[in-house]
Amino acid sequence: EAGVTQFPSHSVIEKGQTVTLRCDPISGHDNLYWYRRVMGKEIKFLLHFVKESKQDESGMPNNRFLAERTGGTYSTLKVQPAELEDSGVYFCASSHRGYVEQYFGPGTRLTVT
Amino acid sequence: SQQGEEDPQALSIQEGENATMNCSYKTSINNLQWYRQNSGRGLVHLILIRSNEREKHSGRLRVTLDTSKKSSSLLITASRAADTASYFCATEGTGTASKLTFGTGTRLQVTL
Repeated sequence: EAGVTQFPSHSVIEKGQTVTLRCDPISGHDNLYWYRRVMGKEIKFLLHFVKESKQDESGMPNNRFLAERTGGTYSTLKVQPAELEDSGVYFCASSHRGYVEQYFGPGTRLTVT
Repeated sequence: SQQGEEDPQALSIQEGENATMNCSYKTSINNLQWYRQNSGRGLVHLILIRSNEREKHSGRLRVTLDTSKKSSSLLITASRAADTASYFCATEGTGTASKLTFGTGTRLQVTL
C-alpha cells in the first residue's frame, strides 16, 4: 500500500507569488488533514476534509490559504499571495473513517524569500 | 505553557540506555498519541493511549498517561542508534473531531 505522498518536496518562492502544494492520501482514506510547522514552533493543524467536504478549517491562518479536495481524492493547498511568515513545512495526513491513527506524508518545505 | 509541551527539548544517550520523554497538555482529551520523525521524513505513528488507559506497551515502547496531571511519558528501553529522531506527542481533544494538537517535540540522539 502506497503511503501519503506530497509534491513538491521543496518550494522556494518570492514574497507575493503563488504556490500550490499537493497531497495524495492513502487510497480509500476519507479523512485528509493539513498541518504545518513554522520554524521553531510546534506542528499546527490547518484543516480537515472528510471526502470532499471541509469538516474543520479552524486552523487556516487567513484567506490567503485555500484548500480543495476535488472528488474526495487528492488535495491541494494554495497560498496566494505568499508572505515571509508562511515559510515552514506543510504536512498532509490521512486516515480511515472511524480510525484515529493518522498517516503522514513527508511534508513540503516552503521557503518564502 | 503551550498545549503539548515536551520535556526535554533534546536528549542524548548511549546505545542500550533508556530514554524518557515527557509531554504535558492543557485540555481534556480523547487520546494521546506519540509520533516519531526521522530527519527529512514524515511523522510515523508509534503508539496511542486512550484517556481511560493509564499505561500501554508496544515492543520497546512504554507510554503512561496521567489525566489528573494532564501529562504523559514515553519510555524507550534499550535504545538503538536507529531510534535517533524527533519525538512528538499529539492529543486529540474532546469535541475536536480527530484534529491533533502537537507538542514541540524532543530531539533524541542515540550514540554508539
